[in-house]
Amino acid sequence: NAGVTQTPKFQVLKTGQSMTLQCAQDMNHNSMYWYRQDPGMGLRLIYYSASEGTTDKGEVPNGYNVSRLNKREFSLRLESAAPSQTSVYFCAGRTGTLYGYTFGSGTRLTVV
Amino acid sequence: GQQVMQIPQYQHVQEGEDFTTYCNSSTTLSNIQWYKQRPGGHPVFLIQLVKSGEVKKQKRLTFQFGEAKKNSSLHITATQTTDVGTYFCAGSANALNFGKGTSLLVTP
Repeated sequence: NAGVTQTPKFQVLKTGQSMTLQCAQDMNHNSMYWYRQDPGMGLRLIYYSASEGTTDKGEVPNGYNVSRLNKREFSLRLESAAPSQTSVYFCAGRTGTLYGYTFGSGTRLTVV
Repeated sequence: GQQVMQIPQYQHVQEGEDFTTYCNSSTTLSNIQWYKQRPGGHPVFLIQLVKSGEVKKQKRLTFQFGEAKKNSSLHITATQTTDVGTYFCAGSANALNFGKGTSLLVTP
């Protein structure tokens, strides 16, 4: 199915463990984004990639790294997970500034 | 940086009542987008407003962009239970800055 696909959908980590959240899109999006969503906080931008080969920090980048592997894929890595990183993570993409974002279905991450 | 504030945070209405959520920015926006997120789901794009004073309608939903391009509103006429969810506005810079959303609960 066309769209933005995130894996995994659910994950439980122990403090200090590392993991990579995967995001792939087949909608020819130039720009891709990672947001986290916490109760009462709305959606906060972690990192984004305006185009293939570029990445930039968002509002809350600490503790995360990203890789824009190619135009289709944009991964988010937690090197040493902390309980404060318990959240729902959304990947999104868009074709250009005149278009809306298409979001993936999210990854629900719990760090214990 | 750009701040996008949304009010109210929560709204509980009876089915058939109208609902409005407001979005205000600390800076002039190039455009504003609105999204809906159902409980347990992901945000879904509704609409984008670009022009000063623009008004767009989607069935029972009316979206407005202020003359100064610093505020926007979403009005739902005669709410239905299918309208339940959180409505987000987002201002556009290099990436969208989302408001914290208005959660709408509709009871039959």
